[in-house]
Amino acid sequence: EDKVVQSPLSLVVHEGDTVTLNCSYEVTNFRSLLWYKQEKKAPTFLFMLTSSGIEKKSGRLSSILDKKELFSILNITATQTGDSAVYLCAVENAGNNRKLIWGLGTSLAVNP
Amino acid sequence: NAGVTQTPKFQVLKTGQSMTLQCAQDMNHEYMSWYRQDPGMGLRLIHYSVGAGITDQGEVPNGYNVSRSTTEDFPLRLLSAAPSQTSVYFCASSYSSGGTISYNSPLHFGNGTRLTVT
Repeated sequence: EDKVVQSPLSLVVHEGDTVTLNCSYEVTNFRSLLWYKQEKKAPTFLFMLTSSGIEKKSGRLSSILDKKELFSILNITATQTGDSAVYLCAVENAGNNRKLIWGLGTSLAVNP
Repeated sequence: NAGVTQTPKFQVLKTGQSMTLQCAQDMNHEYMSWYRQDPGMGLRLIHYSVGAGITDQGEVPNGYNVSRSTTEDFPLRLLSAAPSQTSVYFCASSYSSGGTISYNSPLHFGNGTRLTVT
């Protein structure tokens, strides 16, 4: 059965800390891995990863994919209180629809 | 710059009532979908559409109907609400063309509808 497992489930850090969020997956036919940030409302898109070893970066956030070991990490450096959110990982199957398998998310709280 | 718009934001129904959750997007996205999000379950796909006139089932379609008469709108209907349908519902869209999904285009989500069925 296809699955996506995120760890840790929750995390509390202080402003300025660096955090690493993990996403491991088992899917029958991998197409891509996506990271989303969910605050109170809609998940907002962060990264889409399709190739191993190529880091994607946006400001203080970066992510990388390892297709051999079947995982991805999301790094956030110099965390701010505005980074507090649930971070969702999803893997898309290479089928003929947009079937995404979602993890349960990592709840990050950044304290001042 | 509206993106994906969902209405209503909140709704309380009694068991057996029917209602329609509305979803509209102004990005000319042909792919649209409905998810429900429940604690401990993650996001689960209910129904999706790759273009006007085309719909298909996701992993949890029972109790829900959809139709797609225009590119912009993708309503989700609950014909006879049950307490198990208490959830947060998200509509999401992405670019596709001519019925072919563009897999390099990420999903864009609406702000959700929180539904409670008593």
